[in-house]
Parts: sequence; structure tokens; C-alpha cells
Amino acid sequence: KNEVEQSPQNLTAQEGEFITINCSYSVGISALHWLQQHPGGGIVSLFMLSSGKKKHGRLIATINIQEKHSSLHITASHPRDSAVYICAVEADSGGSNYKLTFGKGTLLTVNP
Amino acid sequence: KAGVTQTPRYLIKTRGQQVTLSCSPISGHRSVSWYQQTPGQGLQFLFEYFSETQRNKGNFPGRFSGRQFSNSRSEMNVSTLELGDSALYLCASSLLGTPYEQYFGPGTRLTVT
Repeated sequence: KNEVEQSPQNLTAQEGEFITINCSYSVGISALHWLQQHPGGGIVSLFMLSSGKKKHGRLIATINIQEKHSSLHITASHPRDSAVYICAVEADSGGSNYKLTFGKGTLLTVNP
Repeated sequence: KAGVTQTPRYLIKTRGQQVTLSCSPISGHRSVSWYQQTPGQGLQFLFEYFSETQRNKGNFPGRFSGRQFSNSRSEMNVSTLELGDSALYLCASSLLGTPYEQYFGPGTRLTVT
């Protein structure tokens, strides 16, 4: 069974701080996703990665396949970054069908 | 381009009833996935449809079913509702499935009383 563990569960930061959210998983995967969920429920896909590193604006996602670990970094955090960040993995099934296993999420609050 | 739409947005049902939720994917997308989100279990995968065929299924009882139409619109049905079915139900569409990006709808908030 594929377990996805995120840490920390809750994170409070001051505006401008550098933030790191971690995700560990237990089985081989074909891809890892980072999602953002704002109050009210809407989910936005931030990154999908299977190796290395991706950057989009102030957000950076890295993955280490050998260590089964990924990190999401937010540079120069801003109150609008306040949201729940969710890590999800696709088991390595060899197909093109989506079947994601999710972490419990990290609630980030950025204070001005 | 219109995003993923879900109807209804909010729904209140009584235990034992059944419910049907609808999802309209982004135009041109052929893969539709359904997820359940509860405070206790978080997000869980229900099933994925592609070209009117269920391609994958999560670990949910048979009371949860779905289908996809030729225009890629999808419906999800839950029969004999239980209190524990109260949740946010999200659908997401993708062009062809992984590794194409998924786009999520706003969700349907189901409350079972």
C-alpha cells in the first residue's frame, strides 16, 4: 500500500520568509503532484514532476526518486500563499490512467 | 476556454436516498477523474473515466458508481446514502490522462442528514 506522508501538518510564517513543505512516499511512482487548495475548496495543480526540479515564479518543487522524497519551496512568501498544499503520487502502473494517492495536506498561513 | 464545471454545487440529502452529481470537463478533454474529500480521510480517488470506459477505480463500495458520456461529460452516483458520505466531491479533467495536467472543478458539497 502506498503511503504519502507530508510534513509539517501546519505551518505559520511571516511575509517574506522562505518556506519548505516535505512529502515522502513508500512505493515506486511514475509522477508526483503538488496541489494548492484555497478555502472554499478549489484545487489548482502547481507541479507534476517525475525527476529533478521545476520552478514557477516563487515556487520550486524538487524530487529525489531514490530517497522517495519531494519538497515544495516558496520563496518570499506572501499572505496570498496561505492555503493547503497537498502532495499526491501516481503509482508506477505503466499506464496512462490517473490514480492518485494523496497526502493529508499542509496548512500554510502567511502573516503580513 | 471554460474550466471544469460541476453541478450542483451544494446538495443536502437524507440517509438512504441516492444522489447524482455531474461534471463537465474542459472542452477536448477525454479523461475525467472523481475524488472524495473529507476532514478525516482527506482526498481519496474514486474512479477515472476515459472515452466512456472506467479505466481505474479506487477502494470504495459498489454504492459509488459513475459513467461518462460520448461528449466526455461524467456523472457520479451514490446509492443508499450514509452519513459518512458527507463530503466534497471533486472532479478533474485531463486531455488524455497522465502525464497531462489535471484541472479540477469547484466541487459539489454533499451533506447527508
